[in-house]
Amino acid sequence: RKEVEQDPGPFNVPEGATVAFNCTYSNSASQSFFWYRQDCRKEPKLLMSVYSSGNEDGRFTAQLNRASQYISLLIRDSKLSDSATYLCVVGHSGNTPLVFGKGTRLSVIA
Amino acid sequence: NAGVMQNPRHLVRRRGQEARLRCSPMKGHSHVYWYRQLPEEGLKFMVYLQKENIIDESGMPKERFSAEFPKEGPSILRIQQVVRGDSAAYFCASSTTGGVGAFFGQGTRLTVV
Repeated sequence: RKEVEQDPGPFNVPEGATVAFNCTYSNSASQSFFWYRQDCRKEPKLLMSVYSSGNEDGRFTAQLNRASQYISLLIRDSKLSDSATYLCVVGHSGNTPLVFGKGTRLSVIA
Repeated sequence: NAGVMQNPRHLVRRRGQEARLRCSPMKGHSHVYWYRQLPEEGLKFMVYLQKENIIDESGMPKERFSAEFPKEGPSILRIQQVVRGDSAAYFCASSTTGGVGAFFGQGTRLTVV
């Protein structure tokens, strides 16, 4: 089983729609969680950290369920500019590298 | 505060040559990661370094690839005797400590001809 798993998509949604992505992780000792966004042929960019209490940043809401070991990202009122690949990322304590999922591709259509 | 700087942005090498990719982390960041990405594929972890130390190189091919992060200067990813299969985007990321969000450079696109 891969350490971080995501549905690759693509998710094709109309402008204004609400879309949600889930991600599961296998290591119960994981301690930090993030969503990154990657546009075609560009570098990944940190979108938001994910906290146990859930957190929101504008149209984006991230949640963590430690018991079930999954992370979610909700995007409300989708914009064309939200089209990208969304990467789920998990970190552990100490000197261990961040682990990236393969990403979920989102296309927002006019 | 400049972001993570990678150079060159594009690198073309003939088979059998050496490729040197450089990464200067963000100011105050002492942790550096290198990832490789093939077209239409996900990021593949290669190596994780702190100043003067390799912490985890489990993703590095055993031959031809090496990485360093000296006390002074940028981190270097070195690929000797390149082959066509080495053609990819190589991304560097840096962070203040392990396990926190890392920031990426714009990548170096290596093409082996």
